Amino acid sequence: AQSVTQLGSHVSVSEGALVLLRCNYSSSVPPYLFWYVQYPNQGLQLLLKYTTGATLVKGINGFEAEFKKSETSFHLTKPSAHMSDAAEYFCAVSRMDSSYKLIFGSGTRLLVRP
Amino acid sequence: DTEVTQTPKHLVMGMTNKKSLKCEQHMGHRAMYWYKQKAKKPPELMFVYSYEKLSINESVPSRFSPECPNSSLLNLHLHALQPEDSALYLCASAFRDRERNTIYFGEGSWLTVV
Repeated sequence: AQSVTQLGSHVSVSEGALVLLRCNYSSSVPPYLFWYVQYPNQGLQLLLKYTTGATLVKGINGFEAEFKKSETSFHLTKPSAHMSDAAEYFCAVSRMDSSYKLIFGSGTRLLVRP
Repeated sequence: DTEVTQTPKHLVMGMTNKKSLKCEQHMGHRAMYWYKQKAKKPPELMFVYSYEKLSINESVPSRFSPECPNSSLLNLHLHALQPEDSALYLCASAFRDRERNTIYFGEGSWLTVV
C-alpha cells in the first residue's frame, strides 16, 4: 500500500525566508511523486513531479524538490518566500499502475508573514 | 493547453433535487477522475474512468452516479444528497501511460446541499 505523510499542518515563514515543506512516502514499488498547490477557493495546480531520472526536480514559481530514496522523502523548497506563495500544499504519490490512483498527504498550509 | 473545465462553479441544491456536475477536457486524456474535497482536507478519490469505462468506485454512495459519455466528457449525477455531501468536487484527467502520467485538475464545483 502507498501512503504520504506531510509533517506540519501549518508552516509560517517571513517573506524572503527559505520555505521547506516536508513529505515522506511509503511505497512498495518505485513511486511517482507530485507536489500540488491549492490557492484559496481554487482547484489544484501541479507544482512539480518526480517520475524517473534526475532526483532534483524544478517546478514552477521557483519551487524545487529532491527525491531521496534512502530517506523516502520528497521535500519541497523555495529559497525566498513571497506573499503570493501563501496557499495549501499537497504532496501526492502514485504507482501509475492499472489503477492510476493519486494518493494525497494531509496538506500543509503555508503562511507568509510580511 | 492543460485545461480541465468544470461547470457549474457553484451549485446549491435541495435534498430532493436532481442535478449534474460536468467536466470536459480536450487533451486526449483517457483517464478521468472525480475527487471530493471537504474544507481543510485533502481530496478524496471517488471514481476513476479509464477509456470511458468505470474502473474504480471507492465505495461511493449510490446517490452519486458518474457517467462518461465520451473520451472528453465526464458527468457526476446527483440525487437525494445529504447536507454532509456539501464539498468541493474536483474533476481531473490524465494520459494512461507511464511517460505522460501527470493528473491535471479542474477548478472544481462548489456544492452546497440545503
